Amino acid sequence: GDSVTQMEGPVTLSEEAFLTINCTYTATGYPSLFWYVQYPGEGLQLLLKATKADDKGSNKGFEATYRKETTSFHLEKGSVQVSDSAVYFCVNAGNNRKLIWGLGTSLAVNP
Amino acid sequence: GAGVSQSPRYKVAKRGQDVALRCDPISGHVSLFWYQQALGQGPEFLTYFQNEAQLDKSGLPSDRFFAERPEGSVSTLKIQRTQQEDSAVYLCASSLQGMGQGDTGELFFGEGSRLTVL
Repeated sequence: GDSVTQMEGPVTLSEEAFLTINCTYTATGYPSLFWYVQYPGEGLQLLLKATKADDKGSNKGFEATYRKETTSFHLEKGSVQVSDSAVYFCVNAGNNRKLIWGLGTSLAVNP
Repeated sequence: GAGVSQSPRYKVAKRGQDVALRCDPISGHVSLFWYQQALGQGPEFLTYFQNEAQLDKSGLPSDRFFAERPEGSVSTLKIQRTQQEDSAVYLCASSLQGMGQGDTGELFFGEGSRLTVL
């Protein structure tokens, strides 16, 4: 069945460091893919999305490219800030009703 | 309202008690979901409503769990005879369109209701 695997955390970086959070998926078709973020004390919110192969989602300096050949949707940011500290979830919309969530990767950015 | 509102934010229950968790979705949103999120895990699907119709309840873990959305807006998740394994954060999310109608899965989440069963 459809699945999502994302790298385990926690990830700790210094401000302005480069960030990569790996995510791979399995799917019977070509589902939409998402990254959701949960800031401390807040609800989950959509960070970015890609709806088809080779699409690049981007928001707030974060990017992720939907790569069919490697079944990946890695999240990247060139220069992280303290305010990026949060938990990041990779999501596979293989079945829209249920969404398939990764376990989440906690990111802590130190000043 | 401006966002999805859930109440209570925190609930402590003794084992065996019944609890009711409320979700007030964004006004006009057709789809409403309930998820269960255990500590250190991603959200797990519980049930889905399109307006007042409960179209999918395959994720409800037992018949102690019941959800309703009688008027197609506010929803209540009820857990009867709570057990310790029910301790989790219960998330409600809404979406403007019904699933299967071109929706690309963007959900708007509430802050969740944290249930602790002693």
